[in-house]
Amino acid sequence: NAGVTQTPKFQVLKTGQSMTLQCAQDMNHEYMSWYRQDPGMGLRLIHYSVGAGITDQGEVPNGYNVSRSTTEDFPLRLLSAAPSQTSVYFCASSTDWNTEAFFGQGTRLTVV
Amino acid sequence: GESVGLHLPTLSVQEGDNSIINCAYSNSASDYFIWYKQESGKGPQFIIDIRSNMDKRQGQRVTVLLNKTVKHLSLQIAATQPGDSAVYFCAENTGNQFYFGTGTSLTVIP
Repeated sequence: NAGVTQTPKFQVLKTGQSMTLQCAQDMNHEYMSWYRQDPGMGLRLIHYSVGAGITDQGEVPNGYNVSRSTTEDFPLRLLSAAPSQTSVYFCASSTDWNTEAFFGQGTRLTVV
Repeated sequence: GESVGLHLPTLSVQEGDNSIINCAYSNSASDYFIWYKQESGKGPQFIIDIRSNMDKRQGQRVTVLLNKTVKHLSLQIAATQPGDSAVYFCAENTGNQFYFGTGTSLTVIP
């Protein structure tokens, strides 16, 4: 049972480039979410999904897009990377919005 | 936005002692709370949770206390071990979102 898998683990982007952070879970969880983690600020919610075809914004959604075409996958897209998006990104999944979340190992993104 | 804070950013304890990590939350409507542990280079890992209709919940070597009157949450770790060294986060659930604290770094001294 792989749990939540994020790829890539590390990425360096130039300002203005686009990329997609991948997230997949094999636990048949309906709820998936993306967080960013910055020093001294804890985890902040970017976007979340309560099921396939349904997404919504979290606390810091600007500059990011998501889609949820399947239960398993929840990719996060950066359309035009900015240095302010340098962070560690975590994907999480849970059976419901008010249950424990299982986190991936994270993607460390640097935008130069 | 929500505000979830921790009283102490760092905590050092001797191996074998008990550890107490505190957390203050701001939204009295929050009804579900989780403590996570994060080791260096890894994602957060669930430790224990508690719902607002409870004051205390115990797990293996860990206890979470919830004081809704003062909006305070604490995590107690019994007989702290070197493997407990990590950053600990509390998270509160309001609506359909979780809000995380900034974390407390626990260091266990052998």
